[in-house]
Amino acid sequence: QKEVEQNSGPLSVPEGAIASLNCTYSDRGSQSFFWYRQYSGKSPELIMFIYSNGDKEDGRFTAQLNKASQYVSLLIRDSQPSDSATYLCAANAGGTSYGKLTFGQGTILTVHP
Amino acid sequence: EAQVTQNPRYLITVTGKKLTVTCSQNMNHEYMSWYRQDPGLGLRQIYYSMNVEVTDKGDVPEGYKVSRKEKRNFPLILESPSPNQTSLYFCASSRAGAHRFEKLFFGSGTQLSVL
Repeated sequence: QKEVEQNSGPLSVPEGAIASLNCTYSDRGSQSFFWYRQYSGKSPELIMFIYSNGDKEDGRFTAQLNKASQYVSLLIRDSQPSDSATYLCAANAGGTSYGKLTFGQGTILTVHP
Repeated sequence: EAQVTQNPRYLITVTGKKLTVTCSQNMNHEYMSWYRQDPGLGLRQIYYSMNVEVTDKGDVPEGYKVSRKEKRNFPLILESPSPNQTSLYFCASSRAGAHRFEKLFFGSGTQLSVL
């Protein structure tokens, strides 16, 4: 079974700091990678998706993908208390089963004032 | 408004009583999928569908059935629910391209308790 592993949390950072979240995946054929944020009791909401090696930036968020090393990371700059949530990494399966999506177990992030 | 609608939001049932959780999307998405979420385990995919009449197993399909007779609907069926299927369930949809897809739109979730 293909796996997606996230760095164990919880992660606590002070307001204004950079939060770094990491994720590794086992399926070399994966082509779509996602970071979702989930507040307690709510549905996951997309932060970023990334397909290509390198960095992708969107406001305070930067996703980094390294297919050779099979890892995906999410950096949150200038962290705010409102960023406190569970962050889920996901990757799709390679080949003809590309609709199969595997999530990591999630990392709880707390940003304290 | 673009949305994925799940019903019911909460459901309490007893072991063995067949139930259906409905999911409908109004975005003409090809891709739809079901997940369950349990504490400490993240989201686990149950089934997915790439288009009408095309469904496939995710990581935890045992005990579940799905059908995709229309593009907008993707119901999840538990023929004989058991207590280990007590969980929070999410439906999601997305556009799908060649070997990749973009943003998953999630429904609000269904909290199921099987007694």
